[in-house]
Amino acid sequence: SQKIEQNSEALNIQEGKTATLTCNYTNYSPAYLQWYRQDPGRGPVFLLLIRENEKEKRKERLKVTFDTTLKQSLFHITASQPADSATYLCALGAGNMLTFGGGTRLMVKP
Amino acid sequence: GAVVSQHPSWVICKSGTSVKIECRSLDFQATTMFWYRQFPKQSLMLMATSNEGSKATYEQGVEKDKFLINHASLTLSTLTVTSAHPEDSSFYICSAIDRDRSYNEQFFGPGTRLTVL
Repeated sequence: SQKIEQNSEALNIQEGKTATLTCNYTNYSPAYLQWYRQDPGRGPVFLLLIRENEKEKRKERLKVTFDTTLKQSLFHITASQPADSATYLCALGAGNMLTFGGGTRLMVKP
Repeated sequence: GAVVSQHPSWVICKSGTSVKIECRSLDFQATTMFWYRQFPKQSLMLMATSNEGSKATYEQGVEKDKFLINHASLTLSTLTVTSAHPEDSSFYICSAIDRDRSYNEQFFGPGTRLTVL
């Protein structure tokens, strides 16, 4: 069965460091992958989309890589700030459908 | 742009009653909307796909007679939880796809917290 794994334990880092979050999947061939940010009690907010034929995507302090051989995506936040503290969800997409991972909570300490 | 609203943001109801949740795309037209459910510290689980003018497509294990979905216009979809029970208490989130955009980005609403007593 399809499985999407994100580190369920919280990631604690110091302000200014680079945060790296991992999304691994099995039994799935997504056409694209998305990363979302979710704050407590709020809906997810879209951050980045990367397609299966792309290796890397950047947007300001964010960088996403997508390795379809390893079936893995890495999400990086450089120069992290306390305001980056949130839960980050990866979602695998095919057509219009998204399947979400469990999310990783990121805590950036000042 | 691409704002999705939900109403109400939270609701408390008695067991056995029905609750309607609205999802609106405020500045774009959405031929497709999705309804998700999220339990505490878990991920979003897709409940159903709602297409304007047609019947919703439900995911396996989701009772269509309990979770009624209506997508009567290009900017509004409603989810009605009928005969609600405490186990239906959850965070319900909708999303919408802008039909005029070329890529499949889903814009999410802020969610509705349902508590069934």
